[in-house]
This record gives sequence, C-alpha cells and structure tokens, in this order.
Amino acid sequence: GAGVSQSPRYKVAKRGQDVALRCDPISGHVSLFWYQQALGQGPEFLTYFQNEAQLDKSGLPSDRFFAERPEGSVSTLKIQRTQQEDSAVYLCASSFKPGEANYGYTFGSGTRLTVV
Amino acid sequence: SQQGEEDPQALSIQEGENATMNCSYKTSINNLQWYRQNSGRGLVHLILIRSNEREKHSGRLRVTLDTSKKSSSLLITASRAADTASYFCFWSSGSARQLTFGSGTQLTVLP
Repeated sequence: GAGVSQSPRYKVAKRGQDVALRCDPISGHVSLFWYQQALGQGPEFLTYFQNEAQLDKSGLPSDRFFAERPEGSVSTLKIQRTQQEDSAVYLCASSFKPGEANYGYTFGSGTRLTVV
Repeated sequence: SQQGEEDPQALSIQEGENATMNCSYKTSINNLQWYRQNSGRGLVHLILIRSNEREKHSGRLRVTLDTSKKSSSLLITASRAADTASYFCFWSSGSARQLTFGSGTQLTVLP
C-alpha cells in the first residue's frame, strides 16, 4: 500500500493477556520506529529498527514489551501480561533513509490498546 | 520523559485568524519537524527545518527556529476549521534513535 498500515486499529485486552500489534511499513523503507502515545500526551519513543536489526530498544518501558522485525519489513510489537498502564495508542513510523535525520517520517494511524 | 514543552497547550481561534504555537526542546538538534494529528488518527508530517536554518515556509505554514534559545514556532496563517487538530514538534539529535516529540498544542478553529 501507499502508507504505513497498522492492525488492529483497536484492541481491548483483559489485564494479564498478551497482545501483538502489527505494523506494515511502506515498502522499501529501511527505518521503522514504534511510539507509545498516552491520552493527551505526545508520542514517546519505544524502539527503532534499521532493516531487521533492532538498534535501539531503550524506550521499551519493561521487559514485558518485545518488538521484532525478522525480515526487515513487517514489525510486531508484543506486550506480555498487559497492565492498565499499557493502555495507549501505539504508533508505527517508517522512513526510507537509514538515520533519517533530514527526512520526515510516515506514521500509521496507530493501534488503540485498552486494558481492562 | 525527554519530552519538550509546547505552548499553549490549547488554543482556540476564529477562522481566518493566525495561530502560533511554540516548542521548547532540551538538547542540540539535527533538525526539527512539525506534525499534525487529527483526533484518533496518525501523525502527518508538515514541515522540517534544519538546525542551520532560521525560517521556512510551506503554503500557509511558517516555521522559525532559534537554536540559541532551543525553541521553534509554527505559524498557521488564515486558519480554517479544517486546521483543527493537535500539533506536535519533533526533533532528532545525535544518532537516528534520539527522536523526541513535544507535548503538543490542541488547536481549535471555530467557523
């Protein structure tokens, strides 16, 4: 497709349940980022991939969060044993250039996760 | 959190007026970008200004950057109801992975 696609758009999980969020970046985009956006806040960085390599996972809030991009295209963000504080919109972004520094990103519409 | 600050947090204006939003960041930057987010939607890239630039224009948008004050402003001229959205500044510094958003300004343009 022409944009970054995220699925599902909405996810309701019971506390303690595991969830998997998917991101399909624009074809050929090297860089892929995950962000977490709490209600009324700006997005906060979670992790960064360059192709299949996860170069930075310093923003992942706990070891319950895990991200992968095994073939350098689609990425999955997995959250184990979800907690209420995990409720947020999870945004994925991709860019063509590795290092991106002088280019904008294309963001997906996000997955809104609600943990009940 | 390393988020910077944006002010105002919320801004309500009449259609046709200009809207100005300000962003303060904390580190040296490579570039600064502004994004727009409609309620419940993803972010849309508006404009990028490099650290060696002071001002940039794109249509009804004007961005300024003052690296000595670590601040940027976004001006939307002749606002329209369709400009109603949240606006975020976003900057990169150091390596590709040091990417930070501001806290956002909620703009409401009344018809």
